[in-house]
Amino acid sequence: GQSLEQPSEVTAVEGAIVQINCTYQTSGFYGLSWYQQHDGGAPTFLSYNGLDGLEETGRFSSFLSRSDSYGYLLLQELQMKDSASYFCAVRPPYSGNTPLVFGKGTRLSVIA
Amino acid sequence: NAGVTQTPKFQVLKTGQSMTLQCAQDMNHNSMYWYRQDPGMGLRLIYYSASEGTTDKGEVPNGYNVSRLNKREFSLRLESAAPSQTSVYFCASSAGTENYGYTFGSGTRLTVV
Repeated sequence: GQSLEQPSEVTAVEGAIVQINCTYQTSGFYGLSWYQQHDGGAPTFLSYNGLDGLEETGRFSSFLSRSDSYGYLLLQELQMKDSASYFCAVRPPYSGNTPLVFGKGTRLSVIA
Repeated sequence: NAGVTQTPKFQVLKTGQSMTLQCAQDMNHNSMYWYRQDPGMGLRLIYYSASEGTTDKGEVPNGYNVSRLNKREFSLRLESAAPSQTSVYFCASSAGTENYGYTFGSGTRLTVV
């Protein structure tokens, strides 16, 4: 099976850097994805790590280490608009297009 | 630029009533999904359709049925609504490769009283 653990809440100051961790217990998976969801909105895709290492997209970076069963999302130069919930997700390694399994989400609050 | 369109956006049902949530995508995606989101529970998969003509159960399928009407449309039906089905429902679609991610609809906020 698969289980994803992420902190329920994180608070950070505008302009700072914050890291949201995701640890997983699974028998195997294809990669780690991250989604952002603002209050009242729909989840939107942020990034995907198919290989170990760091992927950078603007102010956001995502990291994966399969050997440590661990990944994280790094947000730099935080802005107030980054206040949202962030979900990590994996796809179990079964045949076909097995759907993503999502963590319970981390609510990020950016304060002035 | 429509992406994934869900209707209705809001709905209040009485216990025992039935309804169908509609979802359509215009991105020519093969796979479509229905998730529900409850506070503190993240997104839980109800049903999915890996391709036109196929549907499969997810983590929480009880009380729901689905129909993949064609490649564009994937509907979710509640035959006899219960208060436990009060939730926000999201439809999503994907090309089948996760590196491009899922595209979600704007959600349906359902209350069962």
